[in-house]
Amino acid sequence: GENVEQHPSTLSVQEGDSAVIKCTYSDSASNYFPWYKQELGKRPQLIIDIRSNVGEKKDQRIAVTLNKTAKHFSLHITETQPEDSAVYFCAAFYNTNAGKSTFGDGTTLTVKP
Amino acid sequence: DSGVTQTPKHLITATGQRVTLRCSPRSGDLSVYWYQQSLDQGLQFLIQYYNGEERAKGNILERFSAQQFPDLHSELNLSSLELGDSALYFCASSAGQLYNEQFFGPGTRLTVL
Repeated sequence: GENVEQHPSTLSVQEGDSAVIKCTYSDSASNYFPWYKQELGKRPQLIIDIRSNVGEKKDQRIAVTLNKTAKHFSLHITETQPEDSAVYFCAAFYNTNAGKSTFGDGTTLTVKP
Repeated sequence: DSGVTQTPKHLITATGQRVTLRCSPRSGDLSVYWYQQSLDQGLQFLIQYYNGEERAKGNILERFSAQQFPDLHSELNLSSLELGDSALYFCASSAGQLYNEQFFGPGTRLTVL
């Protein structure tokens, strides 16, 4: 089955700096890659997603890049703010007909004011 | 508030028991997904239903089962509970089968003593 590795497991940055989280996947048939933010004790929330026919997607301070050849995708957060502090999960969806997915183990991002 | 509701919020039970977790999707969403999140871990995909039919299966144990009813709410049944089943169980819903944003419910925290 699919295997998703997420790095780093923890990331600490100063407010205003950029943060990058990387995920690699094993199944070349994976075709949908969302990123979720989960604050302590709360539900995961989708922050950005990308499909396999797109190389990059941006939404204000957040961007995701996908390299299908290398089978990795990355989350980029610019101008980080303390409220960006949370656990971030990547996921890879495979199987073109249904929503089967594998999630990374998460990255705990701390933004220091 | 995502529009997805889950009950109960907390559940404490003993080993060997059986419990039922309930999820109501957002109005109009046809897909329901179930995930398990153990302490300090990522999300494990369990199962997906679309418009009443099972569409995808993850690493769901044989002791676990689920169904989606005609009114689209879903139930996850966990039987012969073990200590290791203690976790946060999330339900998510989306409009279609794939490539649609998933909206997560607040989760049910299950504690098996």
